[in-house]
Amino acid sequence: DQQVKQNSPSLSVQEGRISILNCDYTNSMFDYFLWYKKYPAEGPTFLISISSIKDKNEDGRFTVFLNKSAKHLSLHIVPSQPGDSAVYFCAASARGGGATNKLIFGTGTLLAVQP
Amino acid sequence: AGVTQTPRYLIKTRGQQATLRCSPISGHTSVYWYQQALGLGLQFLLWYDEGEERNRGNFPPRFSGRQFPNYSSELNVNALELEDSALYLCASALVAGIGEQFFGPGTRLTVL
Repeated sequence: DQQVKQNSPSLSVQEGRISILNCDYTNSMFDYFLWYKKYPAEGPTFLISISSIKDKNEDGRFTVFLNKSAKHLSLHIVPSQPGDSAVYFCAASARGGGATNKLIFGTGTLLAVQP
Repeated sequence: AGVTQTPRYLIKTRGQQATLRCSPISGHTSVYWYQQALGLGLQFLLWYDEGEERNRGNFPPRFSGRQFPNYSSELNVNALELEDSALYLCASALVAGIGEQFFGPGTRLTVL
């Protein structure tokens, strides 16, 4: 059972425009969400996170929105740059339980930013 | 320095054992292992903190590991099968249970 889903395997955007990457989750125990970017042959790089007590977190060109009632989060990149081209993974964890913060990852979305 | 993993590439044959190593960021006590098989997302394997195994994912017992007193970690895969071919990623975190995980570059294991 895929608890974190990224239903769009790929997304193509023009340079300078907004990129919106979506993620849905099913486990209501998740209370911490993260986005990672991954280039080929490299490990994932942490981008931005959000706690379930917030609905928005912004860091430079990156903003993550969380809609708890819909169990949905999205990553907005504005403006998109060619260097943003990578695979983006959404991840979630249930920190409240205290037992673990293992991350449950989505399958990723390949973002291609066209010059 | 970030998380380091050795070797970067490893080729083994079916039935052999593989040992992968990870050094966390200095000061981080928690180490996590993930598997990324071709076409799949990252799957949680193991979590070590303060030398103890804290949790493991849905993998068979032939996947095991340990954490050393200097917080580095080792992942062992026994009786290798073809489907074990994957990118194995190690991540470390400053405090167990909270905070972001920072990933190494991974070890690409190929089983022939």
